[in-house]
Amino acid sequence: GQQVMQIPQYQHVQEGEDFTTYCNSSTTLSNIQWYKQRPGGHPVFLIQLVKSGEVKKQKRLTFQFGEAKKNSSLHITATQTTDVGTYFCRWRKTSYDKVIFGPGTSLSVIP
Amino acid sequence: ETGVTQSPTHLIKTRGQQVTLRCSSQSGHNTVSWYQQALGQGPQFIFQYYREEENGRGNFPPRFSGLQFPNYSSELNVNALELDDSALYLCASGTMARASAGYTFGSGTRLTVV
Repeated sequence: GQQVMQIPQYQHVQEGEDFTTYCNSSTTLSNIQWYKQRPGGHPVFLIQLVKSGEVKKQKRLTFQFGEAKKNSSLHITATQTTDVGTYFCRWRKTSYDKVIFGPGTSLSVIP
Repeated sequence: ETGVTQSPTHLIKTRGQQVTLRCSSQSGHNTVSWYQQALGQGPQFIFQYYREEENGRGNFPPRFSGLQFPNYSSELNVNALELDDSALYLCASGTMARASAGYTFGSGTRLTVV
């Protein structure tokens, strides 16, 4: 079946350090979305990637889609305490397939 | 424009009972999906509705059912509740034509089955 893995499961960083989470799929993805969920909150949409090798930036966040469209990464430069939360990748094969969320990477930022 | 609202926020039910959770989609959205999220895990897809018809379902048994109404609000019904059904239930709304804009989640309903 379709498997989506995220690594690492947890990451503790000192404020100001960089952070990267990786989403890896066993099958080729049509597109991928990233969401952030703060502790006690709900997922909030960050971005969608569609094209092979695509790179998108949002301020300190950089999102990348692999050339083979089987993996994606989210990189945060110079983390801040506001970056704390769990980052999920999400994808769906077609408009009628089930949605798959990765297990998430939980980020803690030590001030 | 209003966001996605879910009710109730918290609920305690007894094993074997039935429950109905409600979701009011964001204005202009025609798609709603429901998720179950256990503590420390990612959201698990239950199903999605588009224009009042189910168009995708996850690995949940038939006792999980739903409805989408003409105003695009939605219900999740769970029959014969089991202890393992205790979780946060999230709904998310969006527009099929603008899936690239992502989906807007509600704050969820915390269901506890005792």
